[in-house]
Amino acid sequence: DADVTQTPRNRITKTGKRIMLECSQTKGHDRMYWYRQDPGLGLRLIYYSFDVKDINKGEISDGYSVSRQAQAKFSLSLESAIPNQTALYFCATSDFGSGEPYNEQFFGPGTRLTVL
Amino acid sequence: GQNIDQPTEMTATEGAIVQINCTYQTSGFNGLFWYQQHAGEAPTFLSYNVLDGLEEKGRFSSFLSRSKGYSYLLLKELQMKDSASYLCAVTSNTGKLIFGQGTTLQVKP
Repeated sequence: DADVTQTPRNRITKTGKRIMLECSQTKGHDRMYWYRQDPGLGLRLIYYSFDVKDINKGEISDGYSVSRQAQAKFSLSLESAIPNQTALYFCATSDFGSGEPYNEQFFGPGTRLTVL
Repeated sequence: GQNIDQPTEMTATEGAIVQINCTYQTSGFNGLFWYQQHAGEAPTFLSYNVLDGLEEKGRFSSFLSRSKGYSYLLLKELQMKDSASYLCAVTSNTGKLIFGQGTTLQVKP
């Protein structure tokens, strides 16, 4: 079984719709992250959480919100989707204090979101 | 601020050697990662450098110079399956990874 899972894997939606992307992990890691990837722009951090009660904005958080429901679950919401949020979204996890490599991140399979 | 630069695209021949460079500027540097990402798939860990020098792992090696803010990934005996994007990422004491835009490598027969 995959350690980091994302649902859905693919989603097509319309402008103005609310969308939730879900991430679950069985690695027992405290830290979880949401990234989006666009061609030529690499991975950009949307939000991250270092434990259940900790939520932090990344470099491109506008238009997104998150919820850390449990250590194993971290959801990303688009309250009112717009076409320029069309991208590949990745969830990742890491383990604090486990030694080197420090902060190695493990990625889920990705969610391809298209906003029409 | 933080900035990571790597070439956008590279092409190499099967069986050859290719070097992918990465330069970075960051505060609170803790280490540098290289990830491999095939099209449409998740990034997977390749290597990690925290001290200056070369880390070798099979056909792949990664080098770091902290004083120069420079790293490279060296791929030997290239195979067609090495066609992928290679992501340089820096970790700092903030606990975040900052990624470069990635280098797309095309291996030709």
